[in-house]
Amino acid sequence: AQSVSQHNHHVILSEAASLELGCNYSYGGTVNLFWYVQYPGQHLQLLLKYFSGDPLVKGIKGFEAEFIKSKFSFNLRKPSVQWSDTAEYFCAVIVDNYGQNFVFGPGTRLSVLP
Amino acid sequence: DGGITQSPKYLFRKEGQNVTLSCEQNLNHDAMYWYRQDPGQGLRLIYYSQIVNDFQKGDIAEGYSVSREKKESFPLTVTSAQKNPTAFYLCASSMDPGDSNQPQHFGDGTRLSIL
Repeated sequence: AQSVSQHNHHVILSEAASLELGCNYSYGGTVNLFWYVQYPGQHLQLLLKYFSGDPLVKGIKGFEAEFIKSKFSFNLRKPSVQWSDTAEYFCAVIVDNYGQNFVFGPGTRLSVLP
Repeated sequence: DGGITQSPKYLFRKEGQNVTLSCEQNLNHDAMYWYRQDPGQGLRLIYYSQIVNDFQKGDIAEGYSVSREKKESFPLTVTSAQKNPTAFYLCASSMDPGDSNQPQHFGDGTRLSIL
């Protein structure tokens, strides 16, 4: 079965630090990749997505992610985090011919200290 | 504003009782989904429906049931057969279930606790 792993359960950073959250998936075929964010008390929101083309994807709020097919990875990055980035981040994958059935990673909680 | 409404936000249930969680969307989306979110496990798919009057089991359907009588509504019943129902339940929808490029939109969730 397809699976998605996220490297860190909880990441704590100071403001202005750089961020990289790891995401790896287990499927060898064509995939569509997503990062969702859940701010405290809010619903899940789409941060960015990758379908094809340039493997470096720009999202909202200064986030970007890089798809590395050879490593089955889709890591999320931000050069300088803010306190308002404190949230839980979920990586998700749709595999080809699997319809709309997302497979989510376990999530990474990011705490940014002011 | 278009969106997904889940109700109630908090729900308490006695052991042995069935309980139904509501999910309504006014996005005119064809597909709807129910996930369960547990700490450290991310989201796991319970049931999904790609069209009215049709639904399919997800990864953890045992102890749950759903119906899809209307496009905008996809209620989830947690039955007494579900051994560990305490969790946060999320409903989602997407425009075209055949298009894997479409992201899912999520509701605010319902937190179910067993008394």
